[in-house]
Amino acid sequence: QQQVKQSPQSLIVQKGGISIINCAYENTAFDYFPWYQQFPGKGPALLIAIRPDVSEKKEGRFTISFNKSAKQFSLHIMDSQPGDSATYFCAARVRGGYQKVTFGTGTKLQVIP
Amino acid sequence: GAGVSQSPSNKVTEKGKDVELRCDPISGHTALYWYRQSLGQGLEFLIYFQGNSAPDKSGLPSDRFSAERTGGSVSTLTIQRTQQEDSAVYLCASSLAGGNQPQHFGDGTRLSIL
Repeated sequence: QQQVKQSPQSLIVQKGGISIINCAYENTAFDYFPWYQQFPGKGPALLIAIRPDVSEKKEGRFTISFNKSAKQFSLHIMDSQPGDSATYFCAARVRGGYQKVTFGTGTKLQVIP
Repeated sequence: GAGVSQSPSNKVTEKGKDVELRCDPISGHTALYWYRQSLGQGLEFLIYFQGNSAPDKSGLPSDRFSAERTGGSVSTLTIQRTQQEDSAVYLCASSLAGGNQPQHFGDGTRLSIL
C-alpha cells in the first residue's frame, strides 16, 4: 500500500499559535518522510524531512515528530506567522527505491493576525 | 542558479485536442518526475526518468498520456485527445540521483480543458 493519509484538510490558527498537521501510513517499507510547503501558484518546496530512526527533528520553528510504532508523523509549526499560510503536504518514500514519493492530500493552513 | 522551468504556465484548450507540456530541469539533475495536482488534491505521480534507464510509467492514467526526455535533460509530457478530467496543474520536479536528494519543483502548467 502506498497511501499516506493527512489531516486536517484545512486549518486556521491565530498568529503566535501552534499549527499541527498529522499524517499516517500503512506501508512499513517507507523510510523517508519529507514535508513540502506550497504557496499559491508555486510548486511545492521541501520544508523538512525525517527518517524513522529519529523521533523528532527540529528546524527553526518547524518540528517533525515521528511515531514509528503507530506509523504516524506530524508537523508542528511553532509561533505561526501569517507568512506560513500555505498548503502543506506530507510524503513518504519506499526504502531502497529511487526518489518516487507518495504524497498526502495536503493541509491548507491559514494564519490570521 | 536557475530552478526547474515549466512552460507554458497556463494552457487552455478544447476537448479532443492534443497538448504538450515542457519541463527544463535543473542542470545536472539526472532524475525527473511529472506529477498531476487536481484542485484540492495531493500530488499524483505520473512518470519518472532517471538517466538512461527505462522510465517508470506506472502512474500514467491512460494511454493518452506519454512523456519523453531528450538527451537526459528537457522533458515533454503529451496528452492526446484531451478530456475535461485532464484539467489540473501538471508539475515537474528534478533531483540529483541517489540518497535522500530533495526534489525541486517547477511552478507547474495549469491546464484547462473546455
